[in-house]
Amino acid sequence: GAVVSQHPSWVICKSGTSVKIECRSLDFQATTMFWYRQFPKQSLMLMATSNEGSKATYEQGVEKDKFLINHASLTLSTLTVTSAHPEDSSFYICSARESRLFSYEQYFGPGTRLTVT
Amino acid sequence: AQRVTQPEKLLSVFKGAPVELKCNYSYSGSPELFWYVQYSRQRLQLLLRHISRESIKGFTADLNKGETSFHLKKPFAQEEDSAMYYCALQLSGNTPLVFGKGTRLSVIA
Repeated sequence: GAVVSQHPSWVICKSGTSVKIECRSLDFQATTMFWYRQFPKQSLMLMATSNEGSKATYEQGVEKDKFLINHASLTLSTLTVTSAHPEDSSFYICSARESRLFSYEQYFGPGTRLTVT
Repeated sequence: AQRVTQPEKLLSVFKGAPVELKCNYSYSGSPELFWYVQYSRQRLQLLLRHISRESIKGFTADLNKGETSFHLKKPFAQEEDSAMYYCALQLSGNTPLVFGKGTRLSVIA
């Protein structure tokens, strides 16, 4: 089945530094990837939609200069949290949609837990 | 804007009892509805979607357009069903999923 990986699975960084999270589709090509944020015991909040080769579309209220998204290839999207602050501590989840006609299923990564100290 | 509502944060049932996880949505068109499940320490995974009209792990869900609901049901709960369940809506093929806040199902032995 389709597998999505994320790296790292967890990261601790100091306030003011930047952190990059990778999302890879391992056995399929993904034209579209999505980045979500999940707070403890809460639902997934869509941050942005990432399309290969074009700029990401951010949801209202998400700072695009703070959360940089790059989707350079059909199997890789990255989320960089710039100048991280403690309030950015969260669980970040990516999902990828297979680039196949009439295939709309999204496959989710295991998530990355970011802790900013 | 489209919205998915799951009114129960936590639902506890005894093993063997019927389960119904409620989901209502607000959208005037014809969306696709999904149920996703997240077991402890595992990633989110698709449980079922309304267009396939299938039963997965004994769970079924019927889309009721009149009541704008997509409740998830299982006649006899099992301990391994304990997990977080999310109802999600998708407007069209290439749009992102909109998730409800989730319901934690706890099946008590």
